[in-house]
Parts: sequence; C-alpha cells; structure tokens
Amino acid sequence: EPEVTQTPSHQVTQMGQEVILRCVPISNHLYFYWYRQILGQKVEFLVSFYNNEISEKSEIFDDQFSVERPDGSNFTLKIRSTKLEDSAMYFCASNRQTYNEQFFGPGTRLTVL
Amino acid sequence: GIQVEQSPPDLILQEGANSTLRCNFSDSVNNLQWFHQNPWGQLINLFYIPSGTKQNGRLSATTVATERYSLLYISSSQTTDSGVYFCAVEESKTSYDKVIFGPGTSLSVIP
Repeated sequence: EPEVTQTPSHQVTQMGQEVILRCVPISNHLYFYWYRQILGQKVEFLVSFYNNEISEKSEIFDDQFSVERPDGSNFTLKIRSTKLEDSAMYFCASNRQTYNEQFFGPGTRLTVL
Repeated sequence: GIQVEQSPPDLILQEGANSTLRCNFSDSVNNLQWFHQNPWGQLINLFYIPSGTKQNGRLSATTVATERYSLLYISSSQTTDSGVYFCAVEESKTSYDKVIFGPGTSLSVIP
C-alpha cells in the first residue's frame, strides 16, 4: 500500500541554522500539507499546497518558513533561521483531492539547540 | 473556526477492558479521521469516517454528523493500544482543506 515518507526521522540543529525537511507524498496525490506538533500539544496546521502554490497558511507559517515541490516527487519545508521554539514533530500529509482523507507521513522530529 | 473537543482527556484501562472515546465538533464537517499516535510519535490512521459506522478488528467508529459527534470504540484493549488518540475534522463551510485536530485522549493500558 502506498504511503507518505519523510526524511530525516530526526534532525538536530543549532539555533539560527537553516533546515530542510523532506517528504515524498503518495504518487497520484495532488494536495500537500505540513503540520506541526510541539511536544505534548495537539497537531497544528501549517500550510497547504496545490498546483505549485500555497493555498492556505496558518499564523504559525511566517516568513521564516517556505515550501517547495522541487521535482515531481518531493515536497519540502524549509525553516530559514531556526529558533528554539521550532522544536517539534513535523508531519507531511497528502490527498488526491480536497475534502478527502489525508494520509500522514511518520513525521520528522526537529530539535533546535 | 470549528472547535473540536475530545473526552476523556486521559484514560487508564486494565488490559482486556473496553472503552469509548468521544469527539465533539462545533460545526458541519466534510470529513473526520481518527488517529493513534504511538509512543514514537507516529500518527497511525485508524478511520476515515465522515459519517456512519466502520469496524477494523477490535476497533470501530461511528460518526453522527447531524449531531456533530464521533465515537471510537476499543474492545478487549491491549497494552499496544496505549498512546494518544486524536480526532481530526475538516470544516465544510470553508473552501480550505486543512484538518483541525482535537486535543487528544491519552490512553494507558496496563497489564
């Protein structure tokens, strides 16, 4: 059964450094998402992406964040200058069309020191 | 925006016991999903259930969309069922596709 994959599973970085989190959505899916979960809290929406454009973003998704689909398979989340409070689990998700089930990847745990 | 509540917030069960987890939402939804977050933090998709009833082994779920709630039943619980259970909904009155998660129910199954 196809699944969403994410790399790396765990990333440790120094404050102020740039990180890129990578996701490979399910191959025939068209809609892509990033979510974030700070330890012990609920999962929060960051951004949705369709047709090479951001379709919606939350207040959390400020100028330090960007998303890209650099080729036909990868979907990336870049954090330009990491802060301590960016430490969280980041989940990628995808679906084939809107208002359908979203399939989540296993997550990348980001630790900012 | 839509509000999602889950109850109870915490639950401790003896292995073999049954339980019901509840999700209430404040407005109409296009879809509803139940997830299990395992101790490694992974989100495991349990059910996609915008309405009706589904069963998968010891787990089943029912969503009554008109009354704005969903229930997740766990029967004959096992220690591997421990973790956090999230309900997540997609609001139908917006043109956006984001999923809103509830706060979760933390389940501990003890031998």
